[in-house]
Amino acid sequence: NAGVTQTPKFRILKIGQSMTLQCTQDMNHNYMYWYRQDPGMGLKLIYYSVGAGITDKGEVPNGYNVSRSTTEDFPLRLELAAPSQTSVYFCASSQPVGEAFFGQGTRLTVV
Amino acid sequence: KNQVEQSPQSLIILEGKNCTLQCNYTVSPFSNLRWYKQDTGRGPVSLTIMTFSENTKSNGRYTATLDADTKQSSLHITASQLSDSASYICVVSAQGFGNEKLTFGTGTRLTIIP
Repeated sequence: NAGVTQTPKFRILKIGQSMTLQCTQDMNHNYMYWYRQDPGMGLKLIYYSVGAGITDKGEVPNGYNVSRSTTEDFPLRLELAAPSQTSVYFCASSQPVGEAFFGQGTRLTVV
Repeated sequence: KNQVEQSPQSLIILEGKNCTLQCNYTVSPFSNLRWYKQDTGRGPVSLTIMTFSENTKSNGRYTATLDADTKQSSLHITASQLSDSASYICVVSAQGFGNEKLTFGTGTRLTIIP
């Protein structure tokens, strides 16, 4: 039972490069989320989606883009990487309320 | 502003001992409170979810309590094991919203030593 799968696990980017963090879930959840976790801080919501074709901004969306073409996939795009985007990124999925299931995270360093 | 504060920031205890972690919140109106366990390098995993009407919930050696009047919760770990070494995160949901409005605490880093 895979749950929420994120790739890659680690990545180093140079300033100004772009990349896509992949997230897929096999629980048929309508809701999916992207969070970032900085040292000593609580998780902050970047973007979320309530279903295929629908996305909305969270608390810290600047510098990121998302798309939701299928129920299973919710990729996060960084267009022009900046050092402030160095963080650990978590994808999660859930039904509208109740338990949220998290992926294992992507550790991103921008140098 | 909705906030969740956890204490202590870190805790070290001997294997086999009990411990209690604290969570205070200002999220209003309150819907439910969750405790997550996050192993190093992994994503958070749910331990318990409590609604307004529940004041205690157990999951094996983990027991969470909730006092909605004082807006406090605690997570008690009994007979700790080395595998309990992790960060424990308190998360609060606001009424009228789904999981898109969760407020996360910064976590308590628990280390169990043999």
